[in-house]
Amino acid sequence: DAKTTQPNSMESNEEEPVHLPCNHSTISGTDYIHWYRQLPSQGPEYVIHGLTSNVNNRMASLAIAEDRKSSTLILHRATLRDAAVYYCILVAGSARQLTFGSGTQLTVLP
Amino acid sequence: NAGVMQNPRHLVRRRGQEARLRCSPMKGHSHVYWYRQLPEEGLKFMVYLQKENIIDESGMPKERFSAEFPKEGPSILRIQQVVRGDSAAYFCASSLGTGGAFFGQGTRLTVV
Repeated sequence: DAKTTQPNSMESNEEEPVHLPCNHSTISGTDYIHWYRQLPSQGPEYVIHGLTSNVNNRMASLAIAEDRKSSTLILHRATLRDAAVYYCILVAGSARQLTFGSGTQLTVLP
Repeated sequence: NAGVMQNPRHLVRRRGQEARLRCSPMKGHSHVYWYRQLPEEGLKFMVYLQKENIIDESGMPKERFSAEFPKEGPSILRIQQVVRGDSAAYFCASSLGTGGAFFGQGTRLTVV
């Protein structure tokens, strides 16, 4: 599986937007970009995924670079409940296991 | 539509006993994955199953660990003769085969 690179940690103020970056320069044409998050003492939670076009859902937006070598997860208004480890994962087109890296620890400051 | 259900949530076993972890996938999901998270470490893939078939078990320890997903009933992760190093959170996820995977709340196994 192609590798992703994320910052180890980020901080945000409550009620402000958060942009979580992910680099995946070796992405292949059939790899989907998935984002998951894990809150303390909980199981991972699916956030969003995309292939080429930007995607929006009730939780977040996913902005994908034109060359697909990077992407950004956007939380439009961070809340304290968004404090979690965020994982950017590349997934091949067919059903495949997820390879979790170390992710980005997001701290939201009140 | 209930999410992925794992039970028990917490399991304590003495060294040498068997641990049996259950996972009921979301309704309509035929793909099940098991992951392990050791204390203060990341999530590691263990095994991927479809109904009655093991698709990928590359992350499973060679001994004492087995998994199944029968035609009827939940998926089972079985750990025989548990040791202290097996203490971890075990997460199950299910998917339709495409799109996102949905995780359960995990079973926290403590070996004493």
